[in-house]
Amino acid sequence: KQEVTQIPAALSVPEGENLVLNCSFTDSAIYNLQWFRQDPGKGLTSLLLIQSSQREQTSGRLNASLDKSSGRSTLYIAASQPGDSATYLCAVDSGNTPLVFGKGTRLSVIA
Amino acid sequence: DTGVSQDPRHKITKRGQNVTFRCDPISEHNRLYWYRQTLGQGPEFLTYFQNEAQLEKSRLLSDRFSAERPKGSFSTLEIQRTEQGDSAMYLCASSLREKKTQYFGPGTRLLVL
Repeated sequence: KQEVTQIPAALSVPEGENLVLNCSFTDSAIYNLQWFRQDPGKGLTSLLLIQSSQREQTSGRLNASLDKSSGRSTLYIAASQPGDSATYLCAVDSGNTPLVFGKGTRLSVIA
Repeated sequence: DTGVSQDPRHKITKRGQNVTFRCDPISEHNRLYWYRQTLGQGPEFLTYFQNEAQLEKSRLLSDRFSAERPKGSFSTLEIQRTEQGDSAMYLCASSLREKKTQYFGPGTRLLVL
């Protein structure tokens, strides 16, 4: 059974700092990994999707990497801004199965 | 393309009542998923459809829960005889097909008193 763990559970940083969020999964037989953002009381916004054959994906100040063999992914946020404050969720797609999510990292960027 | 929509956005009900939620996926997406999210947790899978066929149900989906997707378009999730433990955010997502990006709706927040 696939299990996804996200560390840290919460993070508070000053504005402008670069930061890394971690995601690990127990079964490396995945098709893709997706990072989402969730604002309080809202739905999920897809940030990046990395196919299993890819090593990384970039979108603006966000960079996500994937090391399938070790069961790890990281989300790098450059030059953080207060508007980046949200919960970031990692989810694994193992093929013909639904997404398995971690519990998320709650990020606060302090102005 | 207006994205995935869900209705209602909020629902307060008394224990024992029945509730029904609706999800309208992105047009032409043949996969539709339902997830449940409680405070401080990630979303947990409930069930999913490919077109009108319900392909998988989680063990979280007790007999009090039923989902339909008639004609392979919108979907409804009904909870009968609600319990306080059903209080959660119910999220709907759709994708073009398997292994593709899932796009989520804004969710329906249910509070059972």
